[in-house]
Amino acid sequence: KQEVTQIPAALSVPEGENLVLNCSFTDSAIYNLQWFRQDPGKGLTSLLLIQSSQREQTSGRLNASLDKSSGRSTLYIAASQPGDSATYLCALRGGGNKLTFGTGTQLKVEL
Amino acid sequence: NAGVMQNPRHLVRRRGQEARLRCSPVKGHSHVYWYRQLPEEGLKFMVYLQKENIIDESGMPKERFSAEFPKEGPSILRIQQVVRGDSAAYFCASSPDSAGTEAFFGQGTRLTVV
Repeated sequence: KQEVTQIPAALSVPEGENLVLNCSFTDSAIYNLQWFRQDPGKGLTSLLLIQSSQREQTSGRLNASLDKSSGRSTLYIAASQPGDSATYLCALRGGGNKLTFGTGTQLKVEL
Repeated sequence: NAGVMQNPRHLVRRRGQEARLRCSPVKGHSHVYWYRQLPEEGLKFMVYLQKENIIDESGMPKERFSAEFPKEGPSILRIQQVVRGDSAAYFCASSPDSAGTEAFFGQGTRLTVV
């Protein structure tokens, strides 16, 4: 059974700081890994999708990496802004085509 | 290019009533997934459907919950005789195929049972 852990559970940083969010998983037999953002009371916004054959994906100030051998993914956010404040979720698609979510990292970027 | 549309966004039901949650996938997507987010918990898979077929319902509670995705119209998640513990956010996602492509999520339906 896939288990997904995200560390830290919560993070508060000053504006402009670069930061790394971590996601670890127990079963490396995955199709892909997706990072999402969730604002309070809102739905999920897909940020980046990394296929199992890929090592990283970039979109603007976001960079996500995937290391299947160690069961880890990181989401790097450069030059953080208050608008980046949200909960970040990683999710893995394995057998059966369903997503297994981590518990999320709640990020607050302060002025 | 409408994304995944869920309605209603908020639903209040009294204990014992039925709740019907609707999900229209992205146009052209034939795979629909339902997830539940309980308060202070992560998202948990409930059911995976294709048109007229339930592919995987391993995350669905054994009683009171059912889902369908008819040939025409939206996918429906139905909860009969709701209890307070059913209060949660229910999210629908869709994808174009089963080949590990990106999943797109709706805004969710927040069910409150009073």
